Amino acid sequence: DVKVTQSSRYLVKRTGEKVFLECVQDMDHENMFWYRQDPGLGLRLIYFSYDVKMKEKGDIPEGYSVSREKKERFSLILESASTNQTSMYLCASRPKLAGERNFGPGTRLTVT
Amino acid sequence: KQEVTQIPAALSVPEGENLVLNCSFTDSAIYNLQWFRQDPGKGLTSLLLIQSSQREQTSGRLNASLDKSSGRSTLYIAASQPGDSATYLCAVSPLKVSYNTDKLIFGTGTRLQVFP
Repeated sequence: DVKVTQSSRYLVKRTGEKVFLECVQDMDHENMFWYRQDPGLGLRLIYFSYDVKMKEKGDIPEGYSVSREKKERFSLILESASTNQTSMYLCASRPKLAGERNFGPGTRLTVT
Repeated sequence: KQEVTQIPAALSVPEGENLVLNCSFTDSAIYNLQWFRQDPGKGLTSLLLIQSSQREQTSGRLNASLDKSSGRSTLYIAASQPGDSATYLCAVSPLKVSYNTDKLIFGTGTRLQVFP
């Protein structure tokens, strides 16, 4: 089975801090994704990557950046955390265009 | 613009009932459709993936159907159990994507509660 892991389940940060969320998948998937999920808004795509060192903006990239130096690892970076970035962050991976998308357990980030 | 709707938003049933969750989408040009389950405070668990050329997929007590022409998918859960209580999400991949674009459009989910 595909396993997608995220570095933290819960995280509390202060406004202005730099925050790193890590995601690792163990099935050699080409594509990786970062979403945020908020009540009433559903899941929204922040960034995705279709190959090492490649990244594409999703629907809400503002305030975020990403890094993919290795195929198995995709990092989401909040350069200067703000309270409106308090959310559940979900990482996902999938093999190719028609493949099944698999999600990690999520990181609940609170910015105070 | 593709929109995905799930009805009902919430459902409460007694244990043992067979039930159907509905998902509708406005643009039939899809690559595939995926059903997920999400427990409170947790990530998404993939249940079933239906390619656009398929009509249904089955896994255990779950059966998902796809009618692309009418823009509908249903998730059938047989003999429901309290452990099935969760939010169920459907999501479609639009057909017109290239290798460096990606979209997975989610519905807002159906919150299911199965009581003993």
